[in-house]
Amino acid sequence: NAGVTQTPKFQVLKTGQSMTLQCAQDMNHEYMSWYRQDPGMGLRLIHYSVGAGITDQGEVPNGYNVSRSTTEDFPLRLLSAAPSQTSVYFCASTGRGANEQFFGPGTRLTVL
Amino acid sequence: RKEVEQDPGPFNVPEGATVAFNCTYSNSASQSFFWYRQDCRKEPKLLMSVYSSGNEDGRFTAQLNRASQYISLLIRDSKLSDSATYLCVVNRGNNRLAFGKGNQVVVIP
Repeated sequence: NAGVTQTPKFQVLKTGQSMTLQCAQDMNHEYMSWYRQDPGMGLRLIHYSVGAGITDQGEVPNGYNVSRSTTEDFPLRLLSAAPSQTSVYFCASTGRGANEQFFGPGTRLTVL
Repeated sequence: RKEVEQDPGPFNVPEGATVAFNCTYSNSASQSFFWYRQDCRKEPKLLMSVYSSGNEDGRFTAQLNRASQYISLLIRDSKLSDSATYLCVVNRGNNRLAFGKGNQVVVIP
């Protein structure tokens, strides 16, 4: 099993550009989440999903969209990138009734 | 008040010593509690779940005090490989996790 995979590993955008961060898991997990990690802030929840077709907002959803058309994939879309979105983005998944969340290796995004 | 509060440190610990740190959480309805470990520029990984009865995994002991709303982690006989950031994590429900800023531990030879 590959676990949770994220692409790209690194990305540089200009202000106003849009892009999609990809996340996939091969563990048949129902729950998937996106977090961002900023220095001195800890990880913060952006959006999450409890199953295919179901998504909801976390603590910091503004400027991001998600969709969950399949169990495996949970892409995060930046609609119009801003310097405040410079961060490390982690995708995570967990199975129903399980405790452990498995994190992907992260995407390091810089917005100029 | 932040949902999960941790003193980030750093905690400089001599090799072989014991180090302990706490975190506090504000939401009394929080359902489950964890410590995650994060190495520099890596993803967080589950270290251990935390139970009211206390639980131990080798050199690591975790404790939950629901009445006072704090969680603790103790590391005995510290190894160089224990150098990392330890994240206090609370599950709000539906696997929506709230993270503390982390306790940075540096084990010194």
